[in-house]
Amino acid sequence: QVQLVESGGGVVQPGRSLRLSCAASGLRFSNYVMHWVRQAPGKGLEWLTMISYEGNDKLYAESVEGRFSVSRDNYKNTLFLQMNSLRPEDTAVYYCAKDYYGPGSHDTGMDVWGQGTMVTVSS
Amino acid sequence: QSALTQPASVSGSPGQSITISCTGSTYDIGGHDHVSWYQQSAGKVPKLIIYDVAKRPSGVSDRFSGSKSGNMASLTISGLQADDEADYYCHSFTSSTTWVFGGGTKLTVL
Repeated sequence: QVQLVESGGGVVQPGRSLRLSCAASGLRFSNYVMHWVRQAPGKGLEWLTMISYEGNDKLYAESVEGRFSVSRDNYKNTLFLQMNSLRPEDTAVYYCAKDYYGPGSHDTGMDVWGQGTMVTVSS
Repeated sequence: QSALTQPASVSGSPGQSITISCTGSTYDIGGHDHVSWYQQSAGKVPKLIIYDVAKRPSGVSDRFSGSKSGNMASLTISGLQADDEADYYCHSFTSSTTWVFGGGTKLTVL
């Protein structure tokens, strides 16, 4: 079955960096747009970034543009989120999610989600 | 980007129907049909229940339906059941080529 598994979360000091990974299985990973979404403790969902299926196009929320960078390795079926200059307000569960959108579909919607990885930014 | 506006909470009794609104602008909901809805039960991962305004993923109950009028999208749940109790989020593409979630609505089944 289609599965996404995030890793790389943990406790980090303000100003430091962290790189999250999202390993995909059970799907042709290179055929789909991918997203990162986060959820701070007790708060709602916040969309962070999207990358096209080829990896050429990337979109970012204002809250993370310039600090976070999304990338993907379609040979290793893995999505990444490089997070720099981390702040306490970046503390959240980080989810990767697959979109319907790809070369075979122009539907949009995040139909598969990982279980999430917790990032805590604290001194 | 400003979050889309949803009511903080709604409630209904089993068997009833409820509607959750999601208000945006011509720069997001009103500008295209890339609006989706997610259900997040307590402690669980979000689940896609409606995409592209009114389409339902395979396996999602037909008690869930979506619609849009102008700058407002709506999610209707008919025949409320106890396990519908969850947080619901709308999500839309925007004209500034980003995506934005609503603030979320907590559904309580009385």
